[in-house]
Amino acid sequence: GAVVSQHPSRVICKSGTSVKIECRSLDFQATTMFWYRQFPKQSLMLMATSNEGSKATYEQGVEKDKFLINHASLTLSTLTVTSAHPEDSSFYICSGTQGIGYGYTFGSGTRLTVV
Amino acid sequence: DAKTTQPPSMDCAEGRAANLPCNHSTISGNEYVYWYRQIHSQGPQYIIHGLKNNETNEMASLIITEDRKSSTLILPHATLRDTAVYYCIVRVGLSGNQFYFGTGTSLTVIP
Repeated sequence: GAVVSQHPSRVICKSGTSVKIECRSLDFQATTMFWYRQFPKQSLMLMATSNEGSKATYEQGVEKDKFLINHASLTLSTLTVTSAHPEDSSFYICSGTQGIGYGYTFGSGTRLTVV
Repeated sequence: DAKTTQPPSMDCAEGRAANLPCNHSTISGNEYVYWYRQIHSQGPQYIIHGLKNNETNEMASLIITEDRKSSTLILPHATLRDTAVYYCIVRVGLSGNQFYFGTGTSLTVIP
């Protein structure tokens, strides 16, 4: 079946630095990628939607200048958390789909800790 | 997309059937019902989806009421590995629209 590979699985960074998270679709072309954030004991919150070759669409309340999303190819999307702060510590998950008629495949998630 | 309501938690004895309910009383005619589950600190895993008819696959069965206002996910013989948070999601068609997660049901399978 379809697989989305997400890296790194865990990252610790210092406050003020930037962190990049990568998601690759291994055996399908992901025309659309979604990025979610999940705080402890809470549900997944959709952050943004990105279509290959286009600018990402952010959900209300998500700062687009802080969470930079790039979806330059059909198999790779990246999320960069810029100038990270401790409150950005969370579990970040990506999801990809080939588009109409296809389901959604989720990555295994990235646990970000900002110290 | 329609909102869903699920009980926050449920227990099930190992080997018994786990029946997880979901209410989606405002569902539209073109919205599908999807079920995903999330085991602790992992990405969500697809289970099953349906529009109107009941569906079954190797993991579970999905029973949708005739008026489509509610559904039940059935895990026929629950194992300890089925302990997870189960999410019921309704969304339009099979297109590239966004997936919004509700609060889900935390299922604990008890030995």
